Amino acid sequence: DAGVTQSPTHLIKTRGQQVTLRCSPKSGHDTVSWYQQALGQGPQFIFQYYEEEERQRGNFPDRFSGHQFPNYSSELNVNALLLGDSALYLCASSLGWNRDEKLFFGSGTQLSVL
Amino acid sequence: TQLLEQSPQFLSIQEGENLTVYCNSSSVFSSLQWYRQEPGEGPVLLVTVVTGGEVKKLKRLTFQFGDARKDSSLHITAAQPGDTGLYLCAGVFGNEKLTFGTGTRLTIIP
Repeated sequence: DAGVTQSPTHLIKTRGQQVTLRCSPKSGHDTVSWYQQALGQGPQFIFQYYEEEERQRGNFPDRFSGHQFPNYSSELNVNALLLGDSALYLCASSLGWNRDEKLFFGSGTQLSVL
Repeated sequence: TQLLEQSPQFLSIQEGENLTVYCNSSSVFSSLQWYRQEPGEGPVLLVTVVTGGEVKKLKRLTFQFGDARKDSSLHITAAQPGDTGLYLCAGVFGNEKLTFGTGTRLTIIP
């Protein structure tokens, strides 16, 4: 039973570029949430997708966008990258969009913006 | 945005010692979770507490939820090197999404 998988594991970009991160949820899960974890901080909620729609969003600018596909996998897109976007981006899956008590996290994508 | 404060921020102790870390908020949690995160990995859920005053045990780890549901503690007995990691508390406030604290980075010295 595969857990949450994320790709790539590491990524280096320069300011102004765009990036796409990918996530496959745990088998049987239909909801994907994305979190940003800056160095030395706890994860911060970006947004959550369920039934291919964004259901809730945290305090992140419109440069951060996402998508969920019919197979429940998801992408996180960040445009016009800033140095401050450097962080570990975590994907978490769950069954049901309002069931945060059972989140399973992937290992994350470490994004470095130079 | 709700804030969760965790203390201490860093803790380094010898193997075999006991320790307690804390999670506090000025607001009432609907539920609270504790996670452990190791370097290069995502957080792994340890426990969820829902009822004020609730105590849950997971081997050498004891989790307590405050009576007023505004605070929680994690106590580790006879710490082992494998307990090393970042301990995160995360709370649900009403209908908001899970909010994480900044974590306690625990190092157990063999």
